[in-house]
Amino acid sequence: KAGVTQTPRYLIKTRGQQVTLSCSPISGHRSVSWYQQTPGQGLQFLFEYFSETQRNKGNFPGRFSGRQFSNSRSEMNVSTLELGDSALYLCASSSSPGAASAEKLFFGSGTQLSVL
Amino acid sequence: KNEVEQSPQNLTAQEGEFITINCSYSVGISALHWLQQHPGGGIVSLFMLSSGKKKHGRLIATINIQEKHSSLHITASHPRDSAVYICAVRFSGSARQLTFGSGTQLTVLP
Repeated sequence: KAGVTQTPRYLIKTRGQQVTLSCSPISGHRSVSWYQQTPGQGLQFLFEYFSETQRNKGNFPGRFSGRQFSNSRSEMNVSTLELGDSALYLCASSSSPGAASAEKLFFGSGTQLSVL
Repeated sequence: KNEVEQSPQNLTAQEGEFITINCSYSVGISALHWLQQHPGGGIVSLFMLSSGKKKHGRLIATINIQEKHSSLHITASHPRDSAVYICAVRFSGSARQLTFGSGTQLTVLP
């Protein structure tokens, strides 16, 4: 079974631009969550999608958005990039948002975004 | 405030040593994850706990719900165990949002 695939692996953008990152979950998984990792703040939850609906959103500005398609692939978008958006962006998939105790997360390798 | 604290921040051990990494949280949780992150960024989920103890190979994870504390143990440590270990919790009532500890950088020397 193929793992979680994130593209691109590396990305360099300039301030003010926008960026779209992609995440393809493990086949059969319908839940995709996104995380930002920086040296200063560590890992932080961005949002989660299940069956094309956003289920939960972390404490990030509206410049951060996402969506999920009918095949469970998900994209996240960051508009008007700021220097502080430089980070590793990780996504994870799981089979369902059912009982939390039954869930295991499978992470992608991440997209390293650098904003210049 | 929902907080997760990990200790120690950095840990250096000799190959073969028994290692313990601790995680404490502030309020009730529905689940706790232990994650491993190697250089390059990839994260692997090691365990998910809501009570008791789990074991996989040389790794053991325990959780004490009353004390709001979890430990990750590595027996007979090996240089390939060198990685960052991260505790993440779902606080009760916070839907499916994970809150992460700051991580423990483990280095196992041969």
